[in-house]
Amino acid sequence: NAGVTQTPKFRVLKTGQSMTLLCAQDMNHEYMYWYRQDPGMGLRLIHYSVGEGTTAKGEVPDGYNVSRLKKQNFLLGLESAAPSQTSVYFCASSYSGGLTEAFFGQGTRLTVV
Amino acid sequence: SQKIEQNSEALNIQEGKTATLTCNYTNYSPAYLQWYRQDPGRGPVFLLLIRENEKEKRKERLKVTFDTTLKQSLFHITASQPADSATYLCALDLLGPRSGGYNKLIFGAGTRLAVHP
Repeated sequence: NAGVTQTPKFRVLKTGQSMTLLCAQDMNHEYMYWYRQDPGMGLRLIHYSVGEGTTAKGEVPDGYNVSRLKKQNFLLGLESAAPSQTSVYFCASSYSGGLTEAFFGQGTRLTVV
Repeated sequence: SQKIEQNSEALNIQEGKTATLTCNYTNYSPAYLQWYRQDPGRGPVFLLLIRENEKEKRKERLKVTFDTTLKQSLFHITASQPADSATYLCALDLLGPRSGGYNKLIFGAGTRLAVHP
């Protein structure tokens, strides 16, 4: 089983450019999450989804959009990248939110210059 | 607002000793609390989950306690080994099913543990 796969693993963007991060899971999980991790800040929830076609805002949603058109995929979009969005992005999935363990991808290291 | 606090300073201990990490939270009453391990350059990996009606949970050398009165969870690693060196994160289930909202998982900043031979 692949588990949770994030694409790409590394990316460098110029300020103002847009991009989409892809998260795919093969465990038939309902819940999917996007977090960002910055030094000393821990994991901060950006957006999450409780099922196909549904999304909700997390702690730091500004500047990001998400879509969950298929149950196995959760996309994170940056419409106009800013240096403040330089971070490591993690996707996770779980069967039932905080009631069950979450499985994480390997992360995407994004640098905005 | 809800807040999760973990010791920001690294915990340094000698091999064979018991490591104890603390997770405190405010302004929330989670139904579930989880602990994860994260190695540099990797995603977090689940270790243990404890429910609000469970005082203690064990798994091999790991033990977690959950005190809903103190709003605190303690994470213990007994007979620690250098391979246990990592960052340990606690996570809370926020807006659980009793509130009618969606479940979501919120993390603390983590505590780095270094076990020295």
